[in-house]
Amino acid sequence: QAVVTQEPSLTVSPGGTVTLTCGSSTGAVTSGHYPHWFQQKPGQAPTTLISETSNKHSWTPARFSGSLLGGKAALTLSGAQPEDEAEYYCLLGYSGPVVFGGGTKLTVL
Amino acid sequence: EVQLVESGGGLVKPGGSLRLSCAASGFTLSDAWMTWVRQAPGKGLEWVGRIRSNTAGGTIDYAAPVKGRFTISRDDSKNMLYLQMNSLITEDTAVYYCTSLQWGRWGQGTLVTVSS
Repeated sequence: QAVVTQEPSLTVSPGGTVTLTCGSSTGAVTSGHYPHWFQQKPGQAPTTLISETSNKHSWTPARFSGSLLGGKAALTLSGAQPEDEAEYYCLLGYSGPVVFGGGTKLTVL
Repeated sequence: EVQLVESGGGLVKPGGSLRLSCAASGFTLSDAWMTWVRQAPGKGLEWVGRIRSNTAGGTIDYAAPVKGRFTISRDDSKNMLYLQMNSLITEDTAVYYCTSLQWGRWGQGTLVTVSS
């Protein structure tokens, strides 16, 4: 089974910009992996930020964006807010199974 | 509004069974690919399995740790999704979520505890 890798932790200053990445052990991540990004705060269910590489939902703050970058899926946060401190998970689809990354703990400090 | 509500979690002994339900509203379940995800205490998200929409054949995939023990099904007349869990082991202890990736919605989760 493929392994999906994320940075274990990242720190960003309030108002700053940070990029979280999502890589695959099978090679470059493409749009065909239908990358998704989720945010989860302690004690809460996850929420979907980005679907299929770059599609935002109506509730997704404009400061979040998704893309493909250097063979990985990427989630960029521009203008970080204190409420963005959370765990972020990516998900990649393969021909059959779906695999989550291990998550990135984002600290806004 | 699209909404998902799970139910059916609880305490069960190793080797036991449990059936989780996910009530969908605001969309037609049979038109969506539906996914079960779990999260063990203090751990990350783990994909459990998914059922494709009827137009995509309605086929089902499972993660290796649950294959042969868990069964995903759907009752289109009730707009309900199910996860039948058999031969439960302690490692199955987790909060279980149903989600529709295409709608971007998650349920609130239901806790399953497998313990003697």
